[in-house]
Amino acid sequence: DIQMTQSPSSLSASVGDRVTITCRASQGISNYLAWYQQKPGKVPKLLIYAASTLQSGVPSRFSGSGSGTDFTLTISSLQPEDVATYYCQKYNSAPHSFGQGTKLEIK
Amino acid sequence: EVQLVESGGGLVQPGRSLRLSCAASGFTFDDYAMHWVRQAPGKGLEWVSGISWNSGSTGYADSVKGRFTISRDNAKNSLYLQMNSLRAEDTALYYCARRGLYRYSAFDIWGQGTMVTVSS
Repeated sequence: DIQMTQSPSSLSASVGDRVTITCRASQGISNYLAWYQQKPGKVPKLLIYAASTLQSGVPSRFSGSGSGTDFTLTISSLQPEDVATYYCQKYNSAPHSFGQGTKLEIK
Repeated sequence: EVQLVESGGGLVQPGRSLRLSCAASGFTFDDYAMHWVRQAPGKGLEWVSGISWNSGSTGYADSVKGRFTISRDNAKNSLYLQMNSLRAEDTALYYCARRGLYRYSAFDIWGQGTMVTVSS
């Protein structure tokens, strides 16, 4: 099975910073890569699908890039409401594995 | 309003069974593939199982294969997860999720989850 590895596992940044989270697949998955945001005690929310397509209603400071095995999620200007854990997910074929998560905090 | 509502969770002893349900509303249920995702307390997301729109294709995580069975009833707009031979490590919040319609669509709608606790 394809493994999804995120880095870093945790991250502390200041408001206004540019933040980047990476996700690596152990084999190529084309563009079948999604990013989710989960705030404490809340349901996961789809941010980006097809590696770089912003889900409707998601602020434009979020962006995604990559293809094949290496992907990134970027927050262009970190806001206090972005405190959350972020997960990548492959969904080209089962199992639709998630990365282990990146916990983002405000410095 | 597009909505998924899970039910059926609870406290169950190891080795016993439980059946989860997910009621869908606000969209044409039988157009969509559906999935179960779980999250153990304090842990990350784990994909559990998925089923195509017409039940023609199903998939399972290795951790549940042979013990869990996913099914759906399109006439009732409902998704199910039959969980047998439950183990302590199956303790988690179980979410149902909808996969969008198009080729590159991901899991765009999630329920609030139902908690399953496996303990003696």
